[in-house]
Amino acid sequence: AQKITQTQPGMFVQEKEAVTLDCTYDTSDPSYGLFWYKQPSSGEMIFLIYQGSYDQQNATEGRYSLNFQKARKSANLVISASQLGDSAMYFCAMREGFLNQGGKLIFGQGTELSVKP
Amino acid sequence: DTGVSQDPRHKITKRGQNVTFRCDPISEHNRLYWYRQTLGQGPEFLTYFQNEAQLEKSRLLSDRFSAERPKGSFSTLEIQRTEQGDSAMYLCASSPSRGDTEAFFGQGTRLTVV
Repeated sequence: AQKITQTQPGMFVQEKEAVTLDCTYDTSDPSYGLFWYKQPSSGEMIFLIYQGSYDQQNATEGRYSLNFQKARKSANLVISASQLGDSAMYFCAMREGFLNQGGKLIFGQGTELSVKP
Repeated sequence: DTGVSQDPRHKITKRGQNVTFRCDPISEHNRLYWYRQTLGQGPEFLTYFQNEAQLEKSRLLSDRFSAERPKGSFSTLEIQRTEQGDSAMYLCASSPSRGDTEAFFGQGTRLTVV
């Protein structure tokens, strides 16, 4: 069973507008972490934001926020005030258990975001 | 630059040849991961090291693949008798072993098998 699902292969957004990238996950482990990474055409995976399963508040990092709905098992990324440089692939990832259990990430298939001027 | 470094960035090889990639993690990070990413897909976990010990290997890591981290610092990933299906981006990442923090990725090695 797919553990991370990103249902939007591609998204378009107008510059300066906000956009939401969807991510749902599946796990039976009560302890997990959710991550969003950005991958520009250069290939490097750039960490954006992290949400722990026990965190009470939604994570925010500058223009990025994570809409964490635990009961629905969703962890959507919201990018506010989109910029042309935000055009890239975006991956949602999950780490099951705490780091002492391994720490490997399971990635979704990604969403390609295009920001229009 | 104190980030994760991978070498080479690009590699073109003929089918049947052996290739070796190198990853230098962030110096204070105990954990090192290798992932493979094919076109249009998210990265898939291959293997990880805690210091010099290889603690987990994915089923994706066939017997043609071997990874080492001899002194708990840099790591190498070798592919023997390459096949066209091995063409992919090979990503290395590192993280500390304490606390639930993000993994830091290198820029990857893009392998093309012709």
